[in-house]
Formats: sequence, C-alpha cells, structure tokens
Amino acid sequence: NAGVMQNPRHLVRRRGQEARLRCSPMKGHSHVYWYRQLPEEGLKFMVYLQKENIIDESGMPKERFSAEFPKEGPSILRIQQVVRGDSAAYFCASSLIEGNTEAFFGQGTRLTVV
Amino acid sequence: GEDVEQSLFLSVREGDSSVINCTYTDSSSTYLYWYKQEPGAGLQLLTYIFSNMDMKQDQRLTVLLNKKDKHLSLRIADTQTGDSAIYFCAESIRRGGSGGYNKLIFGAGTRLAVHP
Repeated sequence: NAGVMQNPRHLVRRRGQEARLRCSPMKGHSHVYWYRQLPEEGLKFMVYLQKENIIDESGMPKERFSAEFPKEGPSILRIQQVVRGDSAAYFCASSLIEGNTEAFFGQGTRLTVV
Repeated sequence: GEDVEQSLFLSVREGDSSVINCTYTDSSSTYLYWYKQEPGAGLQLLTYIFSNMDMKQDQRLTVLLNKKDKHLSLRIADTQTGDSAIYFCAESIRRGGSGGYNKLIFGAGTRLAVHP
C-alpha cells in the first residue's frame, strides 16, 4: 500500500506563472489536508477537503490559491500568478475517516519562485 | 486560540537523553503528536498521546502530558546521531461539531543536534 504521493517533489516557477501541486492520498482515504511550511517555520494548515467538497479553507489565502479533490484523481492545490513569498514546502496529508487519530503525510512539494 | 510553541534548538551529546518541550493553548485538544522531519523529507509520525493520558512510553520515547499547564514533552533516551532532525509538536483540535474533523496545529519545530 503506497503512502501519500505528492508530485512533483520540486517545482520551480517564474513570478506570474501558475503552480499545480498534486496529492494522491493513501488507498481508501477520502480526507485530504494541505499544509504549507515556510522556511524555518512549522506547518500551517491551509485547507481540508473530502471527496468533491471543501470543508475548511480557513488557512488558504483569499486570492490566487484554490484546492480541489475530485471524485476521481488526485487532490490539486493550484496557485495562480505566483510570487516569491509563495516559495515554501507544501505538504499533503490524508486520513481514512473523520476524526482518525493519524493523518499520513506525503514527502511534500518544494516550490521555488524565481 | 490556536497556538503551539516550542524552543527552536537543542544540542545534546550522543548517549544522553534529550527532552523537547512544547506548550499549547487550546484546552479542547483531543490528541497531541510528535513528528520528526529529516532534511528535505516529509513528516514521520513518532508517537501521539490522547489528552486524557499523562504519560506514554514507546521504546526510547517517553511522552509526558501536563494538561493543567498545557505542556507536552518528548524524551528520547540514549540519543543517537540518527536522531538529529527537527521535531514538531502538534495538537489536534476538533472542529465542525458532531460530524466534524480533526485539524492539526503545529509548532515551529525544535532542531535537535546530536554531537559525539
């Protein structure tokens, strides 16, 4: 059973381009969380999704950022018109059921905006 | 509020015990976690403790929870060079009522350096 898969592992974008980060949860998991880790900081909650629904997006910047978790396929975190301040590691976690004691994390996507 | 604080650095000698401390603010936390992150890698769950427990031991790891003071610690016995990493404390907060979900709030991480 593969773990949480994120791709790409590293992504370089120029300012103004779009970044698309993908997360495939563990098999059977229907709950996905996205976190952002700025350099030298802890992880900050961004968004929690269930299949086809955004449940909590209180940590998402209001502009340029969006997330989806379609019925089929991976969860996508999309950042439009990237700026240097978006450079960070973006981690996805998945869990089997609501309230599960353990969320499994992917290896992260390291986004660098040049 | 939702806030988790940790000291940023800890340096220990190989073979000694390491104690990493964490304080949190939300009294409704259900579980508290310790994660390990090695350079360039993701997060590895080390251990967790339910909020109605005060201690949990798992091989070289001992977690102590003082719920009254909202203080959590991780003790690593016989620390090895392979334990050098960043350790994150996280609290799990229930949101959304009876049909809700758990939201993890992380500290900034403690960088543990183990030297010979």
